[in-house]
Amino acid sequence: EIVLTQSPATLSLSPGERATLSCRASQNVSSYLAWYQQKPGQAPRLLIYDASKRGTGIPARFSGSGSGTDFTLTISSLAPEDFAVYYCQQRSIWATFGQGTKVEIK
Amino acid sequence: QVQLVQSGTEMKKPGSSVKVSCKASGGSFSNYGIAWVRQGPGQGLELMGAIIPIFSTAKYAQKFQGRVTITADESSNTAYMELSSLRSEDTAVYYCARGRGRGDLYNFAYWGQGTLVTVSS
Repeated sequence: EIVLTQSPATLSLSPGERATLSCRASQNVSSYLAWYQQKPGQAPRLLIYDASKRGTGIPARFSGSGSGTDFTLTISSLAPEDFAVYYCQQRSIWATFGQGTKVEIK
Repeated sequence: QVQLVQSGTEMKKPGSSVKVSCKASGGSFSNYGIAWVRQGPGQGLELMGAIIPIFSTAKYAQKFQGRVTITADESSNTAYMELSSLRSEDTAVYYCARGRGRGDLYNFAYWGQGTLVTVSS
């Protein structure tokens, strides 16, 4: 099973700041990496797929990069509604998720 | 616009089974995969299995092999997930999810609202 390790576990930032979230895969997943946002009591929302493609209706402040085993989700300037938990997910072999990074208000 | 609507909250005894439904609307059903993802209390996301209705055959995560059955009824655009031999660790929110498009099963662009299943004696 491909294991995804996300870091940091928690990111404390202020609105307007830049957020950088990391996801490392235990083996090469090519560009088959997605990012989701989840708020309390809600289903996850697809932000980025295939490492760098934004999902439908996703604001341009969200961007993804990386390939192989190392990936990054960047939120260029945090909006109040961006404070949430973020998961990465690979679909190279089956589909597995990382354990999540919580972005909280500092 | 694709919508997935799931059945309601379930309370089950250990050793019993639960069957959760997911009704799709607003798009083609048969050619697009439906997956089931669960999330334990305060936990992360876990893919249990998936099915493409037109092919009928489901694929399951090894962890759930033998305990989970995923089916789809094309006549009603509804997918089902049945989990048997329930234990307390199965207490979770169960989501159905659909991929972005045909052949893109595992980029989960559409999600149901989730069904809470509580297993307790």
